[in-house]
Amino acid sequence: EVLLVESGGGLVQPGGSLRLSCTASGLIVSNNYMTWVRQAPGKGLEWVSVLYPGNRGSSTYYADSVKGRFTISTDNPKNTLFLQMDSLRAEDTAVYYCARGLTYNGNLCDYRGQGTLVTVSS
Amino acid sequence: AIRMTQSPSSLSASTGDRVTITCRASQGISSYLAWYQQKPGKAPNLVIYGASTLQSGVPSRFSGSGSGTDFTLTISRLQTDDFATYYCQQYYSYPLTFGGGTKVEIK
Repeated sequence: EVLLVESGGGLVQPGGSLRLSCTASGLIVSNNYMTWVRQAPGKGLEWVSVLYPGNRGSSTYYADSVKGRFTISTDNPKNTLFLQMDSLRAEDTAVYYCARGLTYNGNLCDYRGQGTLVTVSS
Repeated sequence: AIRMTQSPSSLSASTGDRVTITCRASQGISSYLAWYQQKPGKAPNLVIYGASTLQSGVPSRFSGSGSGTDFTLTISRLQTDDFATYYCQQYYSYPLTFGGGTKVEIK
């Protein structure tokens, strides 16, 4: 069974940094499309970032709202996906979900975790 | 980025009703359109992909149609378990984008 457990959320001041983790079991993170999606309190879903393997190494993409501030990466021995979040803003406050991509299209997401809450506030 | 516009933002319906939600893309996305269902406090679940293909395990009362810029999600006979928020998402090009969501509530 595939399990994804998000962690690392918490309260951080504006301008601060936080690193989210998504620990996987039942799949090899480095062999899959892995995505972060977030949801601000009472708001809709927002796609954040994707990382996927390729012949020339992994590829990454970001939402315009986080480009240059967030970095997606993996620790393959630990089978863990990360989201390094720098220069945090109040509008980054959200529950962050990680997801694996489905076989037939890696951008279709299978969410297996409960998310981790990030609160950016002074 | 491609903008996805859903309507309505919310609707009230009774069990057994037929419900239709629309989603419009700001540019053509072929059939690279997915619908997700989300219940309060839970992660989203994929319902339809490729605009009209039912995800495994999803009841056949759900259906999707459309291509290019205009899409619909239809629930033929609303069941209690279907009361949730539905999001369309384009996966045609990065950055991927979601619609604003449609909350389906009990009348």
